[in-house]
Amino acid sequence: AQSVTQLGSHVSVSEGALVLLRCNYSSSVPPYLFWYVQYPNQGLQLLLKYTSAATLVKGINGFEAEFKKSETSFHLTKPSAHMSDAAEYFCARMGGGADGLTFGKGTHLIIQP
Amino acid sequence: DSGVTQTPKHLITATGQRVTLRCSPRSGDLSVYWYQQSLDQGLQFLIQYYNGEERAKGNILERFSAQQFPDLHSELNLSSLELGDSALYFCASSREGQGGFEQFFGPGTRLTVL
Repeated sequence: AQSVTQLGSHVSVSEGALVLLRCNYSSSVPPYLFWYVQYPNQGLQLLLKYTSAATLVKGINGFEAEFKKSETSFHLTKPSAHMSDAAEYFCARMGGGADGLTFGKGTHLIIQP
Repeated sequence: DSGVTQTPKHLITATGQRVTLRCSPRSGDLSVYWYQQSLDQGLQFLIQYYNGEERAKGNILERFSAQQFPDLHSELNLSSLELGDSALYFCASSREGQGGFEQFFGPGTRLTVL
């Protein structure tokens, strides 16, 4: 079965520091890849998506992710963390056909003042 | 606001009961997805409908069923409820049913089974 692995269930960074959230996928064919953010008691909001047009994808709120086929990775970064970035982040994949999203287990991002 | 609405927001019921969760997709979206989020299992895809027809199935239990109506709203029916069914249930919609179109998520229905 296709899977998504997020390394680190919790990541803590200082305000203003670089944010790096790791995601690896398993697939013989590059899938569609997504990063979603979930704030407490809310639904999921799409940050960005990879659909093979460009390997470096820019999203909302200053986030970006780079698709690396050789490493089967799609890590999420942000140059400077804000307190408002504290949330749960999910990496997800989807194949080309009809199917739902397969999510990683999520990474809880903590921002230290 | 994603444009996807879900009702009710909260639902508390007893074991053995049956409940129905409702979802209205974004205007123009033909595909509806249902997901379950629990502490044990994380976020899991349950089922997808496209323009009224079932398109894909995920980890959906036989006690659960869904349908999509002509006006494209969808309902998820959960029966013979067990304590372990307590979870957050999300509905998402997308313009098409495949091809990597982004899915927009509703706020969820929190189900508590006592």
